[in-house]
Amino acid sequence: EDQVTQSPEALRLQEGESSSLNCSYTVSGLRGLFWYRQDPGKGPEFLFTLYSAGEEKEKERLKATLTKKESFLHITAPKPEDSATYLCAVQGDYKLSFGAGTTVTVRA
Amino acid sequence: SAVISQKPSRDICQRGTSLTIQCQVDSQVTMMFWYRQQPGQSLTLIATANQGSEATYESGFVIDKFPISRPNLTFSTLTVSNMSPEDSSIYLCSWAGRGTEAFFGQGTRLTVV
Repeated sequence: EDQVTQSPEALRLQEGESSSLNCSYTVSGLRGLFWYRQDPGKGPEFLFTLYSAGEEKEKERLKATLTKKESFLHITAPKPEDSATYLCAVQGDYKLSFGAGTTVTVRA
Repeated sequence: SAVISQKPSRDICQRGTSLTIQCQVDSQVTMMFWYRQQPGQSLTLIATANQGSEATYESGFVIDKFPISRPNLTFSTLTVSNMSPEDSSIYLCSWAGRGTEAFFGQGTRLTVV
């Protein structure tokens, strides 16, 4: 069974303080690894898809990287509007398996 | 990418009643998914809904409790039947292709009293 573990559970940052979120996974035949952002009371918002080890994707202050066993979401110089829960998911066959998420709080 | 509209956005229901959640996609999609997100937890897949066939349920979820319809390639419903307080969750519909990103509705926040 596919498994996804995210760490830390919660992360409190000062504005401008860069950090990284970790997503460790086990899956039989990775078709894709996905990062989502979820704001309170809303559905997950798609951020990135990574398909193979060594791949990197960037969007504004976020950068996602992938190895054979884990993925990192790097937040560079975060702003308060980056506060959200970040979810990682893997797709082995057709369905997504989600981690529990990392809740990021950025203080001004 | 297809846009998903989900309704209702929230509801408060009495125990023992049923609630049907609707999900409308603005283009035709092959597979749709229904998830549950319990308070403070991540998303758990309830079932996969393909047009013209019975939904496929994940372990721990049964058709009698969560009947699903998929009458065409743009619409699906999930019913939460005979509700109890333990069913209080956010329910989300989604669509995805193999190896491509999944897109989610805004979710239905259900509270059972």
